[in-house]
Amino acid sequence: DIQMTQSPATLSASVGDRVTITCRASQSISSWLAWYQQKPGKAPKLLIYKASSLESGVPSNFSGSGSGTEFTLTISSLQADDFATYYCQQYNRYPYTFGQGTKLEIK
Amino acid sequence: EVQLVESGGGLVKSGGSLRLSCAGSGFTFSRYSMNWVRQAPGKGLEWVSSITSSSYIYYADSVKGRFTISRDNAKNSLYLQMNSLRAEDTAVYYCARARTYYDFLTGYPFPDYWGQGTLVTVSS
Repeated sequence: DIQMTQSPATLSASVGDRVTITCRASQSISSWLAWYQQKPGKAPKLLIYKASSLESGVPSNFSGSGSGTEFTLTISSLQADDFATYYCQQYNRYPYTFGQGTKLEIK
Repeated sequence: EVQLVESGGGLVKSGGSLRLSCAGSGFTFSRYSMNWVRQAPGKGLEWVSSITSSSYIYYADSVKGRFTISRDNAKNSLYLQMNSLRAEDTAVYYCARARTYYDFLTGYPFPDYWGQGTLVTVSS
């Protein structure tokens, strides 16, 4: 199985900050990576697919990059609504696997 | 508008069975792969199972042999039959549609729309 490792586990930041979350795959997954945002008690929401493609309706301050085994999710200017938990997920092959999540907290 | 509504969750004793359902609307259900993803209380997301539009089926090792995924395209519905339930199966179970991106002839489905989830609690 492909292991996905996210870092950091927790990130404290302020409104207006630029933040980056990293996701590493245990083997190459080309660009078959998605990023999701989840708020407490809610379903995950797709942000990015194919490593860098922005889902329709997602604000442009979100961006993704990377290929192979290393990927990043960047939020260029944090808004109050962005404080949530973020997950990466590989869909290169089954079984699909998720990173353990990064909780973005208000500093 | 795409909508996915799960039902069938509840409290069950260890060793028992439960059948989850997911009703899809707002899209052509038969054309999409569908997934079940779960989340144990306070934990991260765990993929459980997928069924493609051609009914190819995949399972996580943790549920293989105990869970069965199926679909009824005439009813726009996805199902998860869960047998031999264990305490570690306690989780919110999400139904998720998968959009497929094609790279030459190979499709790569990824979850795009998710339901609100249904809670399964297995008591020991």
